[in-house]
Amino acid sequence: DAKTTQPTSMDCAEGRAANLPCNHSTISGNEYVYWYRQIHSQGPQYIIHGLKNNETNEMASLIITEDRKSSTLILPHATLRDTAVYYCMLNNNAGNMLTFGGGTRLMVKP
Amino acid sequence: KAGVTQTPRYLIKTRGQQVTLSCSPISGHRSVSWYQQTPGQGLQFLFEYFSETQRNKGNFPGRFSGRQFSNSRSEMNVSTLELGDSALYLCASSLAWGAGELFFGEGSRLTVL
Repeated sequence: DAKTTQPTSMDCAEGRAANLPCNHSTISGNEYVYWYRQIHSQGPQYIIHGLKNNETNEMASLIITEDRKSSTLILPHATLRDTAVYYCMLNNNAGNMLTFGGGTRLMVKP
Repeated sequence: KAGVTQTPRYLIKTRGQQVTLSCSPISGHRSVSWYQQTPGQGLQFLFEYFSETQRNKGNFPGRFSGRQFSNSRSEMNVSTLELGDSALYLCASSLAWGAGELFFGEGSRLTVL
């Protein structure tokens, strides 16, 4: 039973912002939202995580709705190297047992 | 500093054989977890170790086992290999158990013939 749902694929023009949505309507109060991405043939790469406040780092921004039932990962200026599968998942930090869903395949086009 | 190192990167085995995969975490990281990735099932959690103790185990048969050494290096073993065990096996390390932010290696790609 998937705890998060994401669109299967998305396209984005190079240089534009990529907004990747994630629904997690059954999120528990102690669960964080994590985002990872996997570029073809490489191991997943951590991007960002948050509990309820919006977060920003050098890679991306994470916007979590006030009811915490959904979130959006924003890549402010997508490049061709951002083409990857992006995974949204929940983790209560009681272990490193991440549950990966199908993810969103983001294609950045020139 | 060096990232997570997995060896071997590629290997081919035949059904019934066994295989041992190795993972060296980032220096200072004490938690190691393992994942299996296949086209059909995606990324699935195998097990995780912290301070040489298995903390969690995924839904895999007993043929899949692992261990962690005192220097935090980890190995996983798959015995009596089946065709369906062909996969990319990924190791991830983190500073502490439950840290959430995992650093993955490039994986060991196992092909079972």
